[in-house]
Amino acid sequence: DQQVKQNSPSLSVQEGRISILNCDYTNSMFDYFLWYKKYPAEGPTFLISISSIKDKNEDGRFTVFLNKSAKHLSLHIVPSQPGDSAVYFCAATGTASKLTFGTGTRLQVTL
Amino acid sequence: GAGVSQTPSNKVTEKGKYVELRCDPISGHTALYWYRQSLGQGPEFLIYFQGTGAADDSGLPNDRFFAVRPEGSVSTLKIQRTERGDSAVYLCASSHQGDTGELFFGEGSRLTVL
Repeated sequence: DQQVKQNSPSLSVQEGRISILNCDYTNSMFDYFLWYKKYPAEGPTFLISISSIKDKNEDGRFTVFLNKSAKHLSLHIVPSQPGDSAVYFCAATGTASKLTFGTGTRLQVTL
Repeated sequence: GAGVSQTPSNKVTEKGKYVELRCDPISGHTALYWYRQSLGQGPEFLIYFQGTGAADDSGLPNDRFFAVRPEGSVSTLKIQRTERGDSAVYLCASSHQGDTGELFFGEGSRLTVL
């Protein structure tokens, strides 16, 4: 069963607009959530994270929102830039030892 | 380089053969992880080392898969009697103490079993 779900396999956004990537989870034991970004032929790179004690974390153009009651988190990128085009993975953990990843959303930022 | 290094970057083998994949983590990182990413999927946890010991190997799919980290640095993932379903990108990651989930990934080793 898929404990972390990213239901949108792809998203296209115009440069300068907001990109919103969504993620849902089912395991209530998850208490720390992360977003990773992946370019082709590279490993995933850490982008931003949020602890379950918070509902928002911001880092420059990237903001992650967490709604624990809905078991939902989202990543907002504003303004979107062409270099943001990549696959974004949502991940969750309840222990230090393993991350559970979603299937990813491919973001394309068009000019 | 300063990042996680994985070799080989590509490996093509025949069904039934034995394969070793190597990971050289970031210097000083005590935690090391192996993940596997199949086409169209997210990375899937295989095993976690803290120092030399496997602290969590619950993600290894069966006993054909084994990993070692004898000196607490370089790790080798070993796959015996490879099957076509083992074809995937095998990702290694490391972190300083393994307590935040913020992992540094290598570029992966793409394994193709014919």
